[in-house]
Amino acid sequence: QLQLQESGPGLVKPSETLSLTCTVSGGSISSSSYYWGWIRQPPGKGLEWIGSIYYSGSTYYNPSLKSRVTISVDTSKNQFSLKLSSVTAADTAVYYCARSVTTPSYYYGMDVWGQGTTVTVSS
Amino acid sequence: EIVLTQSPGTLSLSPGERATLSCRASQSVSSSYLAWYQQKPGQAPRLLIYGASSRATGIPDRFSGSGSGTDFTLTISRLEPEDFAVYYCQQYGSSHDTLTFGGGTKVEIK
Repeated sequence: QLQLQESGPGLVKPSETLSLTCTVSGGSISSSSYYWGWIRQPPGKGLEWIGSIYYSGSTYYNPSLKSRVTISVDTSKNQFSLKLSSVTAADTAVYYCARSVTTPSYYYGMDVWGQGTTVTVSS
Repeated sequence: EIVLTQSPGTLSLSPGERATLSCRASQSVSSSYLAWYQQKPGQAPRLLIYGASSRATGIPDRFSGSGSGTDFTLTISRLEPEDFAVYYCQQYGSSHDTLTFGGGTKVEIK
């Protein structure tokens, strides 16, 4: 059974870089048709997609965050990571990683999610 | 950029009633690229529907999705106590480089 687990600091100072890692277990991150994504949810608010990556390293990002986001993959460790630079209090949120299943003509949704990790931006 | 608008913001219903949730896109969306999720407090979202109308693995048949173009609907035929939650629609951009969530609809117990 595929499982995803987020890890990283729960507290980040303003202007610094938020770094999170998602570890994939029970399956390979290198499987075709799977994209690996990051989604966040500020307290009391809705879901916001941050970006996604394919095992080959191909990425796509939310245009509103693109200038501050880097997502990378380490297939040897079965992990993918998020870096969000120049954070402010507005970046305080629960951050989720998730797998999405995508083909050129069909989107099967985000079918496996991590439990989420809370990141607070504060000095 | 496509914007997804969900309505109503909150739906107050009793167990056993039918829930109809709307997701409207600012421009036409392929049905193949529309998904619905359920989220309960303190939990990660759960995939309910993909391809606008296909139920994900393990999802009860009281959940159904429909629609095309700019208007999509999630219907819960008879609400069970565990169905009271927030529901989100999501679209995958036709250029294959973006994902967007709607703002969510909360289904609460009346």
